[in-house]
Amino acid sequence: DGGITQSPKYLFRKEGQNVTLSCEQNLNHDAMYWYRQDPGQGLRLIYYSQIVNDFQKGDIAEGYSVSREKKESFPLTVTSAQKNPTAFYLCASSFRLSTDTQYFGPGTRLTVL
Amino acid sequence: EDQVTQSPEALRLQEGESSSLNCSYTVSGLRGLFWYRQDPGKGPEFLFTLYSAGEEKEKERLKATLTKKESFLHITAPKPEDSATYLCAVGTDKLIFGTGTRLQVFP
Repeated sequence: DGGITQSPKYLFRKEGQNVTLSCEQNLNHDAMYWYRQDPGQGLRLIYYSQIVNDFQKGDIAEGYSVSREKKESFPLTVTSAQKNPTAFYLCASSFRLSTDTQYFGPGTRLTVL
Repeated sequence: EDQVTQSPEALRLQEGESSSLNCSYTVSGLRGLFWYRQDPGKGPEFLFTLYSAGEEKEKERLKATLTKKESFLHITAPKPEDSATYLCAVGTDKLIFGTGTRLQVFP
């Protein structure tokens, strides 16, 4: 089955810790994205990548970092510099940027204790 | 500034009671309008993509339409399993999401 997987489903972090969220896709998509979802707000773009070894900041990149060493994988690190990290994080992918439909993973809920 | 607004924020329908959800937008250079369904605690599920004014797409009880300023998601004879949050997103050089309409369909 083709799709996008995210792990873990739930993640708890103590203040001051960095955590890494996993995102893998087997759809052969070139573009991958990370979004953050908070109650009452639309999805907000954190980072996106069009090709391997290249990625761009989205609207709310501060306190986050990413890597794209493989086409299939786009992990997101939430650093201690992110002031309000508790949120629902969604990974998506598409064939190309912009006009192509984005398909989403199941999400990771991060809670800072 | 590019903006996407969805209305109503929440909608309660009785089973079989048809209605419409609205997505209005102001963007420069529309490259597509996307509808997604999201269940609590899950990722959005793709429903439709519309690219030009006048375009319509249907899937079971759902029908999406597009004009130059807005899109409608029509729900005909809804069932309780249609209860979810429906998200609209507009494509420019990125996707801009609305805040969604939370739909509840009760028996």
